[in-house]
Amino acid sequence: AQSVTQLDSQVPVFEEAPVELRCNYSSSVSVYLFWYVQYPNQGLQLLLKYLSGSTLVKGINGFEAEFNKSQTSFHLRKPSVHISDTAEYFCAVTPSNDYKLSFGAGTTVTVRA
Amino acid sequence: DTAVSQTPKYLVTQMGNDKSIKCEQNLGHDTMYWYKQDSKKFLKIMFSYNNKELIINETVPNRFSPKSPDKAHLNLHINSLELGDSAVYFCASSQVGRGNTEAFFGQGTRLTVV
Repeated sequence: AQSVTQLDSQVPVFEEAPVELRCNYSSSVSVYLFWYVQYPNQGLQLLLKYLSGSTLVKGINGFEAEFNKSQTSFHLRKPSVHISDTAEYFCAVTPSNDYKLSFGAGTTVTVRA
Repeated sequence: DTAVSQTPKYLVTQMGNDKSIKCEQNLGHDTMYWYKQDSKKFLKIMFSYNNKELIINETVPNRFSPKSPDKAHLNLHINSLELGDSAVYFCASSQVGRGNTEAFFGQGTRLTVV
């Protein structure tokens, strides 16, 4: 079984400051990793994904994440946030040969001017 | 064109009623899912269908019954609704059979049981 832990439940940040959202996972098999964003009253939108290859993956809206197998982490970063980045962010994991996407509890990012 | 669409977007109903939520995907994916998001925004998988076959059935009351008439549709029927069923229900789809891809989500159905 897989599990995902998002280490920060809420992250307040000022506009144009950098942000990092931490995600750790546990799994006995190889996995695929994802970050999703949920804007208020909307569905989930994929930010980026790690399937294989380069451990640094770039996504939409200036976000990037680094897969660290030894630390079983997949932290999300953005060098300079905007007000519009205020949202809920979810880290998710699925076994590479299975159907079940497991989510972390989410991190609420609030960007202030 | 909406990739994963679910209807209705909002559903307010009384306890004890039976209701259905419909989901359709036009991505040609082989796997569809239902997720429940509670008031604390935690997302939990309920069901997963692969090529119309039930693959995942998490610990969900048997008042919840998914139905997949074809690969593009996965509906959720709920009998005898209870207050605790109030949540946002998300439908999703992904392509697993030919290499795993990310799941695409619908906009959600906010169910309120009064």
